[in-house]
Amino acid sequence: GQQLNQSPQSMFIQEGEDVSMNCTSSSIFNTWLWYKQDPGEGPVLLIALYKAGELTSNGRLTAQFGITRKDSFLNISASIPSDVGIYFCAGQLGNNNDMRFGAGTRLTVKP
Amino acid sequence: GAVVSQHPSRVICKSGTSVKIECRSLDFQATTMFWYRQFPKKSLMLMATSNEGSKATYEQGVEKDKFLINHASLTLSTLTVTSAHPEDSSFYICSATLSGLRYGYTFGSGTRLTVV
Repeated sequence: GQQLNQSPQSMFIQEGEDVSMNCTSSSIFNTWLWYKQDPGEGPVLLIALYKAGELTSNGRLTAQFGITRKDSFLNISASIPSDVGIYFCAGQLGNNNDMRFGAGTRLTVKP
Repeated sequence: GAVVSQHPSRVICKSGTSVKIECRSLDFQATTMFWYRQFPKKSLMLMATSNEGSKATYEQGVEKDKFLINHASLTLSTLTVTSAHPEDSSFYICSATLSGLRYGYTFGSGTRLTVV
């Protein structure tokens, strides 16, 4: 199956700093998604990307769908303590296909 | 919209017993539901895909006799962990989608299973 490589594995940053994480794949995807998971909860969708090259923002979050369709990045600007959590990228081939997840980036924000 | 309810959120059971986890789409009809397993500090691993009215498709390495999946209606899928063992202890999460829905999948809040 498709392998998703997500990095970094973890980040420790100061409140107010910007954050960047990315995912690469050996195969192409038609949809890239970014989720955030809080402890003991299911993942919550942050941003969905549907077109190669697409750049989408959601508040302080910005994500891009790579031109090759094999990568995506997520940026968080001016981090705040509630940004703490695990961020997962996910790739999807089609609407009814399953998603494949990256290993996650564990974000810690120090006040 | 697109709310998925998963129940129970936590369950502790004895070895050898079976546990049923329910996943319901509350405000839409889910043609497809997925079951994931997540180990501590790890990513989500797809276990199986279930389509309403048909047999689930299991990922390689997932025992279908161990993890019984039933998707009897468009709003309900169940995962039954049969003859549970301590190594089955994990966080199980379902997700659901409506055919043609564009916004990725909606996840349930997960079930923490502990087998003692």
